[in-house]
Amino acid sequence: DAKTTQPTSMDCAEGRAANLPCNHSTISGNEYVYWYRQIHSQGPQYIIHGLKNNETNEMASLIITEDRKSSTLILPHATLRDTAVYYCIVRVALYGPGNNRKLIWGLGTSLAVNP
Amino acid sequence: GAVVSQHPSWVICKSGTSVKIECRSLDFQATTMFWYRQFPKQSLMLMATSNEGSKATYEQGVEKDKFLINHASLTLSTLTVTSAHPEDSSFYICSARGLAGGSDTQYFGPGTRLTVL
Repeated sequence: DAKTTQPTSMDCAEGRAANLPCNHSTISGNEYVYWYRQIHSQGPQYIIHGLKNNETNEMASLIITEDRKSSTLILPHATLRDTAVYYCIVRVALYGPGNNRKLIWGLGTSLAVNP
Repeated sequence: GAVVSQHPSWVICKSGTSVKIECRSLDFQATTMFWYRQFPKQSLMLMATSNEGSKATYEQGVEKDKFLINHASLTLSTLTVTSAHPEDSSFYICSARGLAGGSDTQYFGPGTRLTVL
């Protein structure tokens, strides 16, 4: 699975959009981009994932560049509860019991949302 | 979204005792479950992967006789830390793989904080 690069930390004002970048220049054509976050002392929470097209759900938007070498997670109106470590992971996603491809976890981006 | 529960959320035990942690997928069937360990200020480290009804696959450096994994049903996996020692104190997190948006996604439990005295 391809490796990702994220900034170590970011700050954001409450109510503003938080834009978290991720570089994955060696991504393969069949690899998805997944985003998770981990609030202190909790298990990771799934946010969103995508392959080529931009995606949006109730939590966030995912913008993937045309060459798929980088992506941005957007939290449109950050709140204090969005303070967490955000992980960008790329991996093959093939549904089926035979697929045990691992999620490779880096150190992510520590996002601090300030009042 | 899919929900994964863990029990207990925290446990304190004496050195030499065994501790069992349960992981359940509440609203979906998980053919594959994963167990992770996380030390303070570090990222998640995969310990083992288990498929329902078969033996778990352990990552390099993880002792299978110390960390016993049972995945007896599509909604339940257990991790037993045998003869626990203080160095086993950590945050243990399970994950269950389910289908979302046309591709498989891992959903995580809330974690179990283990402290071995």
